Amino acid sequence: DSGVTQTPKHLITATGQRVTLRCSPRSGDLSVYWYQQSLDQGLQFLIQYYNGEERAKGNILERFSAQQFPDLHSELNLSSLELGDSALYFCASSVGGTALNNEQFFGPGTRLTVL
Amino acid sequence: AQTVTQSQPEMSVQEAETVTLSCTYDTSESDYYLFWYKQPPSRQMILVIRQEAYKQQNATENRFSVNFQKAAKSFSLKISDSQLGDAAMYFCAYKYNNAGNMLTFGGGTRLMVKP
Repeated sequence: DSGVTQTPKHLITATGQRVTLRCSPRSGDLSVYWYQQSLDQGLQFLIQYYNGEERAKGNILERFSAQQFPDLHSELNLSSLELGDSALYFCASSVGGTALNNEQFFGPGTRLTVL
Repeated sequence: AQTVTQSQPEMSVQEAETVTLSCTYDTSESDYYLFWYKQPPSRQMILVIRQEAYKQQNATENRFSVNFQKAAKSFSLKISDSQLGDAAMYFCAYKYNNAGNMLTFGGGTRLMVKP
């Protein structure tokens, strides 16, 4: 158990809908990362937050957004869902800061299926 | 752009034997980390081993070791005395010192272990 929690574990929805994925980082971790794992794109970085502020953006679609709340949990919002958005979405957390050796701890993922 | 390539989509090894998974990467950075992650059928991402680019000595964690060739930008994972529980997807990943310290992943290698 990494200490990172993600809810829900599974989500099935229809095209055009909107969903919210939730992540609680390990106690003491200030950074939250979101990654998407799909058959087409592999594992790719979406976005990172550090202590409530967006720090880095990767290949995140405009239909997707995220935020980190004062209690440091994070939510990833996916809207106007398409079949291709079906994927496993991981959240990872780290202590944060700029130290390169900060390890990222991964949550169990949320499996999103868009029908 | 930094890229990570795993040229072996699938590998197979006999139980108790040794197997080597390959990874190459492309970067112009001098300070970075390399990682191997294991993803078993549970889909959990588990850190296996990591290597800092400045360290010439190859990292070792029990039955897992790496062969880091910085000039060749090669980072292979050797698994000794393979066990049935080693069967999983293995991802090579890279991280360098930028604003986010996010991970860039290779496409993965599926390792099968034969009893």
